[in-house]
Amino acid sequence: EVQLVESGGRLVQPGGSLRLSCGASGFIFSNFHMNWVRQAPGKGLEWLSYISGNGVTIYYADSMKGRITISRDNAKNSLYLQIDSLRAADTAVYYCVREGRDWSSDHWGQGTLVIVSS
Amino acid sequence: DIQMTQSPYSLSASVGDRVTVTCRTSQNIVKYLNWYQQKPGKAPKLLIYGASSLQSGVPSRFSGSGSGTDFTLTISGLQPEDFATYYCQQSYSMPRTFGQGTKLELK
Repeated sequence: EVQLVESGGRLVQPGGSLRLSCGASGFIFSNFHMNWVRQAPGKGLEWLSYISGNGVTIYYADSMKGRITISRDNAKNSLYLQIDSLRAADTAVYYCVREGRDWSSDHWGQGTLVIVSS
Repeated sequence: DIQMTQSPYSLSASVGDRVTVTCRTSQNIVKYLNWYQQKPGKAPKLLIYGASSLQSGVPSRFSGSGSGTDFTLTISGLQPEDFATYYCQQSYSMPRTFGQGTKLELK
């Protein structure tokens, strides 16, 4: 069974940084491209970043460029998202997402909540 | 970036009804359109990929159609567990973009 488990979300002060992690199991992690998607309270889904299976190709949402860094460790079956200069608008549930057929998001983690507040 | 226009924003229906949600894209995305269902407090779940392919384990009352710039999600014979929010997403190019969502409510 495919499982994605995010961690690292917490209350953080504006201007702070955070590193989110996602542990993967139930599939050959290195064979799959991965994404981070977030959802602010009561809002829709926002794609943030993509990383290819071998970690070579990376994309970021323009809105987040310069503030986020995606990475992966295939030996540890783990995906990461570093977020810097956090602001209130970054308050959201952050999801780790696997890309499947036709580059759809076929498996999602349960999400980790980041709250940015003083 | 490819813009997604999903409609309606909300929809009221009854158990047993047939409902349709539409998604229009600002550019031709061939068939790379996906549909997701999200229930409160839960992660989204993939229903349809590649415009019309049913994800494994998804009931056959869900179907998708369309190509190019116009796509449709149809639920035939609504069940109580189908009342949720539905999102379309294009996976043709980066950045991946989502529709704004359609909230399906019980009439």
